[in-house]
Amino acid sequence: GGIITQTPKFLIGQEGQKLTLKCQQNFNHDTMYWYRQDSGKGLRLIYYSITENDLQKGDLSEGYDASREKKSSFSLTVTSAQKNEMAVFLCASSIRGGSDYTFGSGTRLLVI
Amino acid sequence: GMPVEQNPPALSLYEGADSGLRCNFSTTMKSVQWFQQNHRGRLITLFYLAQGTKENGRLKSTFNSKERYSTLHIKDAQLEDSGTYFCAAEAGTGSNRLTFGKGTKFSLIP
Repeated sequence: GGIITQTPKFLIGQEGQKLTLKCQQNFNHDTMYWYRQDSGKGLRLIYYSITENDLQKGDLSEGYDASREKKSSFSLTVTSAQKNEMAVFLCASSIRGGSDYTFGSGTRLLVI
Repeated sequence: GMPVEQNPPALSLYEGADSGLRCNFSTTMKSVQWFQQNHRGRLITLFYLAQGTKENGRLKSTFNSKERYSTLHIKDAQLEDSGTYFCAAEAGTGSNRLTFGKGTKFSLIP
């Protein structure tokens, strides 16, 4: 079986700081995603990538950058952390048909 | 309205009881997935449906694309069923991107 790993698990940043979250998968999945989860709001798509070097904006891309330099990894950058921001960022991957969706365990962000 | 409307927002059951969750879609969806998020925050896939009904143990899910809804039934509720359940649907644009419902927080009444 494969695994999808997010690092770090916890991230504390300062207002205005640029913060990078990483995600690695060894399923050989084509598509990778970054979602943001806020309390009571479900998951919202930030960016996704259907193959190496591809990048597609989701519903919440403003304030974020992403990079898919290799098929197995997808990183997300918070370009300028907002004070008192608190959310969980979830990475996922799937095969091209979308039926084999697997999530990582999340990165919990707190901005002080 | 919201593309994916999930109800109820919260659900409390006695051990052994049965209940159901429902998601309504504002447009025709290609497929639906149901996830359970445990207390550690990890999302586990329960079902993927392009149509029809699937069962797995005490869980059963139905997806009716034409009528624009999906349901998840929990039978004989147990402590391990606790957590938050999400439905997520794909609109069929070819991107595999999912739109999530807001979740149903499920707990067992002691």
